[in-house]
Amino acid sequence: GAVVSQHPSRVICKSGTSVKIECRSLDFQATTMFWYRQFPKQSLMLMATSNEGSKATYEQGVEKDKFLINHASLTLSTLTVTSAHPEDSSFYICSARQALKRAFFGQGTRLTVV
Amino acid sequence: GIQVEQSPPDLILQEGANSTLRCNFSDSVNNLQWFHQNPWGQLINLFYIPSGTKQNGRLSATTVATERYSLLYISSSQTTDSGVYFCAVGRSEAAGNKLTFGGGTRVLVKP
Repeated sequence: GAVVSQHPSRVICKSGTSVKIECRSLDFQATTMFWYRQFPKQSLMLMATSNEGSKATYEQGVEKDKFLINHASLTLSTLTVTSAHPEDSSFYICSARQALKRAFFGQGTRLTVV
Repeated sequence: GIQVEQSPPDLILQEGANSTLRCNFSDSVNNLQWFHQNPWGQLINLFYIPSGTKQNGRLSATTVATERYSLLYISSSQTTDSGVYFCAVGRSEAAGNKLTFGGGTRVLVKP
């Protein structure tokens, strides 16, 4: 299957700082990537759809100004959590779909805001 | 939006046992996938199966699209099968190609 690499896998930051998470498709071009958030023992919740060369599409209730998404190339999307607070602590996962069918996921990023 | 329900929510198996996980969805779909999330959080794509039956080793899946459900079979379970199994569905490109995830089935295989 296709490989999606997410970095960093774990990050601890101070409240008020910003954190950038990278998602790369290593062996295929992804015009669309997806960002999810997962709380402990819960399912994945879609945050936004990242479109190469255009603005991201955010799901209802997701703050655009807090979760900045940039999809600068066909293989890279970034999620920046701005002015992070403890309630932003969560597991963030990116996904890219090959041929808009099968979805492949990055390793996930566990964010802890202290 | 489309609703996805998985059952059972939790499953404890003895190594070597067989099991069936179910995924019900509330509307017609043209994309259905099964994933396994390991204890470290990594999601692995098991099957892309909008309809029909597929097998991969000890795992197989069947989707009956007309009746809006899919089944994942685990045979001769091993401890490495432990984790959470998610079903995710999607509709047309007009819906943004988004996948909606079910709540998952948490599986623990005991040695």
